Amino acid sequence: AQKITQTQPGMFVQEKEAVTLDCTYDTSDPSYGLFWYKQPSSGEMIFLIYQGSYDQQNATEGRYSLNFQKARKSANLVISASQLGDSAMYFCAMREGIANAGGTSYGKLTFGQGTILTVHP
Amino acid sequence: GAVVSQHPSRVICKSGTSVKIECRSLDFQATTMFWYRQFPKQSLMLMATSNEGSKATYEQGVEKDKFLINHASLTLSTLTVTSAHPEDSSFYICSAPREGVRGSNQPQHFGDGTRLSIL
Repeated sequence: AQKITQTQPGMFVQEKEAVTLDCTYDTSDPSYGLFWYKQPSSGEMIFLIYQGSYDQQNATEGRYSLNFQKARKSANLVISASQLGDSAMYFCAMREGIANAGGTSYGKLTFGQGTILTVHP
Repeated sequence: GAVVSQHPSRVICKSGTSVKIECRSLDFQATTMFWYRQFPKQSLMLMATSNEGSKATYEQGVEKDKFLINHASLTLSTLTVTSAHPEDSSFYICSAPREGVRGSNQPQHFGDGTRLSIL
């Protein structure tokens, strides 16, 4: 079963407007982390924002915010004031079992299918 | 600046060649590194988990003898695609989590990837 689902293969937005990229997840682990990465055409993976399962508030990083709805198991990325440079593929990812007995965390990431965002001038 | 370095960035070679890809953590030690494969406009698929000082853990369906992983030190993991064929052409990318106490919000740091083209 798909653990991370991004239902929007492609999204279009006008420059300077806001856009929401959807992400839903499935896990029975109470301890998990959700990440968003941006991948431009050059291929590198750029970390954007993180939300922990125990975080009380929605994460924000500059123009990026994460609309975390735990009961609905969704973690949508909101990009405000879109710029032409935001055109890229965006991935939602989940890391389960992030806390072990030693308090360290380095679990593997499971990625969604990705959403190609195109920003129009 | 980059915290994970991956080389080479692009490889074009003939069928039957073995290709080695290196992944280095630059300013931190990584007992674990991950290797992903990505086809155009698709998601990253985890191939294997590289463990320093022990055998790699491969995901289901990934051929261990085809994709050799060696994690020789705390800062270096290598992926060798043995006897590569055109169907092995893909984008390979490594990542290394910066481990630490309560580091749950530490993002995995990715290399810039290697585009492998087998003719």
